[in-house]
Amino acid sequence: NAGVMQNPRHLVRRRGQEARLRCSPMKGHSHVYWYRQLPEEGLKFMVYLQKENIIDESGMPKERFSAEFPKEGPSILRIQQVVRGDSAAYFCASSPNQGEGDIQYFGAGTRLSVL
Amino acid sequence: AQSVSQHNHHVILSEAASLELGCNYSYGGTVNLFWYVQYPGQHLQLLLKYFSGDPLVKGIKGFEAEFIKSKFSFNLRKPSVQWSDTAEYFCAVRGSNYQLIWGAGTKLIIKP
Repeated sequence: NAGVMQNPRHLVRRRGQEARLRCSPMKGHSHVYWYRQLPEEGLKFMVYLQKENIIDESGMPKERFSAEFPKEGPSILRIQQVVRGDSAAYFCASSPNQGEGDIQYFGAGTRLSVL
Repeated sequence: AQSVSQHNHHVILSEAASLELGCNYSYGGTVNLFWYVQYPGQHLQLLLKYFSGDPLVKGIKGFEAEFIKSKFSFNLRKPSVQWSDTAEYFCAVRGSNYQLIWGAGTKLIIKP
C-alpha cells in the first residue's frame, strides 16, 4: 500500500521555525488521518479530515498546530514555531470511506527533528 | 476513556519459537480491532483485523489473533516465528469517530 505518500521523509527544523508535512492519500480515498508517535510510545491520533473539512481535531494541540485537506492537492499538517517536544514521527493514513469496515492505509511517515 | 494496553514492550525469541503478544483494550462500543506491523524502515501495514463473526482471525504471514470479549483481549499469535518477523507490532481499536487508538507497541527481535 505504498499509495499513501508522505513527504518529506525526514525534516530538520530549528526551534521557532515552521514545519510543513504533506500527505497524498491513496487514489480514491477521501478520508485522511494524522497520527503522531513520540519516542518509545504508540501512535496518538491528532486529526481526521475529509476534503475541505476537519471532522475531528480532538487530538491536536490547541496552539501552533493546524491541518488542512484542500479540494486539490495533498493534506498538510503545519506546525508553527516548533519546539524540541515536537520531535516525533508523524504518520498519515487514508481510507476510502467512513465506516466500520474500512481499513486505514498508512504512509511511511515523516520524522521531524527539532534542533 | 478508550485505551489499548500491550503488555510487552520488547520480546526476544529464537527462530521456530512460538509467539504470543498480549493486547487488552478498554472501549464500550462496537469493537473493531487491528494488529499492524512495522518492519524496519517500512510503513505500517495491516496484519489482521476483527470486525465481527468468528473471534479467531487469520492474517498474513501465518499470524492469527483471538478476540475474547470477556477478557477485553485480542492477543496475536504465531506458532513458529522466523527471523523475518523481526519488527514492531501495534494493536489498535477503532474509536468513536473512526480514529485508531493504539497500544505502545511491542518490539520483536528474532534471533537467527
